[in-house]
Amino acid sequence: QSVLTQPPSASGTPGQRVTISCSGSSSNIGSDTVNWYQHLPGTAPKLLIYSDDQRPSGVPDRFSGSKSGTSASLAISGVQSEDEADYYCGAWDDSLNGWVFGGGTKLTVL
Amino acid sequence: QLQLQESGPGLVKPSETLSLTCTVSGGSISSSSSYWGWIRQPPGKGLEWIGSLFYSGSTLYNPSLKSRVTIPVDTSKNQFSLKLTSVTATDTAMYYCVSGGSSFEYWGQGTLVTVSS
Repeated sequence: QSVLTQPPSASGTPGQRVTISCSGSSSNIGSDTVNWYQHLPGTAPKLLIYSDDQRPSGVPDRFSGSKSGTSASLAISGVQSEDEADYYCGAWDDSLNGWVFGGGTKLTVL
Repeated sequence: QLQLQESGPGLVKPSETLSLTCTVSGGSISSSSSYWGWIRQPPGKGLEWIGSLFYSGSTLYNPSLKSRVTIPVDTSKNQFSLKLTSVTATDTAMYYCVSGGSSFEYWGQGTLVTVSS
């Protein structure tokens, strides 16, 4: 059971906007920033969004992050077939005194 | 560009100690701007933070693993390691070494460790 809650799956057709949610609590998302990771099969996870809504260099601007209260969202505008992957949210948790992650969301591009 | 590479046995017997090493290239492990640590992913499950080593030399471990884990560092070799004692089948996972701050910007390719007799 992961500390952060994500839907197990999401889907969209090419060009569609897709959002993935991440729900937490006041001890993690509610008090610290959220990061998002993209995990393609057979590769290392890649930092996609940090500090709630910042994109590292090289990440396409179709990826965006947002946060409100104890929930965060990852949006992909104009989803592409190459975006088919597992997506994880992560944050620091003050109560656990450590980093926690969501269980991951598998994105399927139909 | 910082690069991380995990190494170590792919098979460990139950009750023994899992030992992995992460070799850092493209940067110094003594850098004051980085955290270093380990994250794992059991088959079919999500990511789990194991622990982190800070530039000050202090460490922080997942409370659920704290009694069994240490992260030693060897600055002369620009490496840090993971030691997990008394392993069981539930410790079977892909293990990643990570770095780059609290957002885990850099990841190694990962190494699969199976706990089995």
